[in-house]
Amino acid sequence: AQTVTQSQPEMSVQEAETVTLSCTYDTSENNYYLFWYKQPPSRQMILVIRQEAYKQQNATENRFSVNFQKAAKSFSLKISDSQLGDTAMYFCAFMHSNDYKLSFGAGTTVTVRA
Amino acid sequence: NAGVTQTPKFQVLKTGQSMTLQCAQDMNHNSMYWYRQDPGMGLRLIYYSASEGTTDKGEVPNGYNVSRLNKREFSLRLESAAPSQTSVYFCASSPQTYGVQPQHFGDGTRLSIL
Repeated sequence: AQTVTQSQPEMSVQEAETVTLSCTYDTSENNYYLFWYKQPPSRQMILVIRQEAYKQQNATENRFSVNFQKAAKSFSLKISDSQLGDTAMYFCAFMHSNDYKLSFGAGTTVTVRA
Repeated sequence: NAGVTQTPKFQVLKTGQSMTLQCAQDMNHNSMYWYRQDPGMGLRLIYYSASEGTTDKGEVPNGYNVSRLNKREFSLRLESAAPSQTSVYFCASSPQTYGVQPQHFGDGTRLSIL
């Protein structure tokens, strides 16, 4: 299984501020996909954003954006204008382009303070 | 549109008992997956089914069996439950086996084995 590392177990951010979650991965392949999933207290896994490794442009979804550094094997998530509803655990995930396996990091718990 | 439905949501078993977790999706997806989530860890793949009639092992298959009953349904069976199988189990589906198409997750089943 691929190694996906999220080095921040917990992060706290003030409402309306910005928080950045780090993720690094290990692979020798050139073609792959990266994802960020959100898991709120309801336990549901929700896709936040995805990135194809062959695309140089960083993906953006509303207040969520990524900083994809392929050479450094880094895939960080930035949450701008944080909202109380962003409180959740966030998982970084990796998938090879010709594989079925999603490898997840251990997760980062984000708490947004009012 | 219900998406991915898992039953039951909670279950308590005694060591040695058997149990089948049910999963159904109504999105006409080809591929289905079973994961387990343990504290401090990301989701780990137990088994997957690329298409109706096929199943394959994931990262942690020991102690589990699966059945892809039809295109909609993919069940996970614990033949003789062990305390180490206490976990939250997630079923997921995707249109295809691999690629940027994201996996859609059910709400999870919290399983406790005493």
